[in-house]
Amino acid sequence: QSVLTQPPSASGTPGQRVTISCSGSRSHTGINFVYWYQQLPGMAPKLLIYRDSQRPSGVPDRFSGSKSGTSASLVISGLRSEDEAEYFCATWDDNMSGYVAFGGGTKLTVL
Amino acid sequence: EVHLVQSGAEVKKPGATLKISCKVSGYTFTGHYIHWVQQAPGKGLVWMGLVDPEDGDTIYGENIQGRVTISADTSTGTAYMELSGLRHEDTAVYYCATGPGGDYYMDVWGKGTTVTVAS
Repeated sequence: QSVLTQPPSASGTPGQRVTISCSGSRSHTGINFVYWYQQLPGMAPKLLIYRDSQRPSGVPDRFSGSKSGTSASLVISGLRSEDEAEYFCATWDDNMSGYVAFGGGTKLTVL
Repeated sequence: EVHLVQSGAEVKKPGATLKISCKVSGYTFTGHYIHWVQQAPGKGLVWMGLVDPEDGDTIYGENIQGRVTISADTSTGTAYMELSGLRHEDTAVYYCATGPGGDYYMDVWGKGTTVTVAS
């Protein structure tokens, strides 16, 4: 059971706006930064968002992240077929000596 | 440009020890953490731990602690992940990834090393 909860699936049609949620307890997302990763089929994960809402260079501005209280969201605007992938949120959990906790992942289907 | 090149696929027997390497190029090895992440077939990502090559300090994931050892050789710019007492459920792709020291995201990933544990 992950400390971060994501819906297992999401879908949208090209051009739509899709939101993927990531819910955690106060000890996790309420304090620490949330990161988002995209994993295309058969590929290594790729960093999409860091420190809740920052985009690495090269990530299109169609991808945006936000955090409020104990929940975080990834928004994909102007959905494209190449966005079909698994999306994982992650955070630093201060429990014990600390560790990186990943959400269970959300499989995004572009219809 | 930063590159992480991982060692090749492995087939191991239950109970054996696995050691995977991850050679980093294109940036200063120290000043960045090296993380290891496990992904079993059809499953999600599980963080195994990290090493700070600056001083060799490590932090391990609670689920894997006791069986994993992560290290870094600054002379060669190579990080290692050793997993002992292999079980069938350790069959997975293992990724190394790097990220800024002091933060916990991974901004460059290796292609992954496929490990199969079978009798």
